[in-house]
Amino acid sequence: QKEVEQDPGPLSVPEGAIVSLNCTYSNSAFQYFMWYRQYSRKGPELLMYTYSSGNKEDGRFTAQVDKSSKYISLFIRDSQPSDSATYLCATSQGGSEKLVFGKGTKLTVNP
Amino acid sequence: DVKVTQSSRYLVKRTGEKVFLECVQDMDHENMFWYRQDPGLGLRLIYFSYDVKMKEKGDIPEGYSVSREKKERFSLILESASTNQTSMYLCASSFYRYYEQYFGPGTRLTVT
Repeated sequence: QKEVEQDPGPLSVPEGAIVSLNCTYSNSAFQYFMWYRQYSRKGPELLMYTYSSGNKEDGRFTAQVDKSSKYISLFIRDSQPSDSATYLCATSQGGSEKLVFGKGTKLTVNP
Repeated sequence: DVKVTQSSRYLVKRTGEKVFLECVQDMDHENMFWYRQDPGLGLRLIYFSYDVKMKEKGDIPEGYSVSREKKERFSLILESASTNQTSMYLCASSFYRYYEQYFGPGTRLTVT
């Protein structure tokens, strides 16, 4: 079993839709949970992170972690064409700089 | 702004050639990483370095080596390039024991 599983999509939604992106993980030692966004022909960039369980909101983006079910989510409200990118979830153990990435979900927001 | 730069955006090499990929970061980060990214396989860690002259193998080190002679520079070396090393190579850096990694733009390497 892979340590982090992510549905690769692709996912195509109309502008203004609410988008839900999800990952599951297997190692209960993971404590840091991140979402990276990667535009075409660019390197990934950190979008949001959460520590342990709970929600974190930043503008139109909400990251959610449920450690009891080992489930990571990213919600995008009022999605925009500029949100079209590949979204990668990532996790790490406490104090570790090594990240475990999901394979990424390609999202297209159509105007 | 953190900047991670990679020496080439696109590179075409022949089978058997020795290939050097260079990465430079300007934020005085202790950690530097080399990944490859392939469709359907995601990001896979090749090597990382937590200090000058220090390195650790990642998940797929076979066929690769690395060099870190200066803190800001981390090189990935393909001793004898093979077609199965055709991929997007991404360099990243981070502070010691800190989760946020900053990525370069990537080098798309084609081995023919």
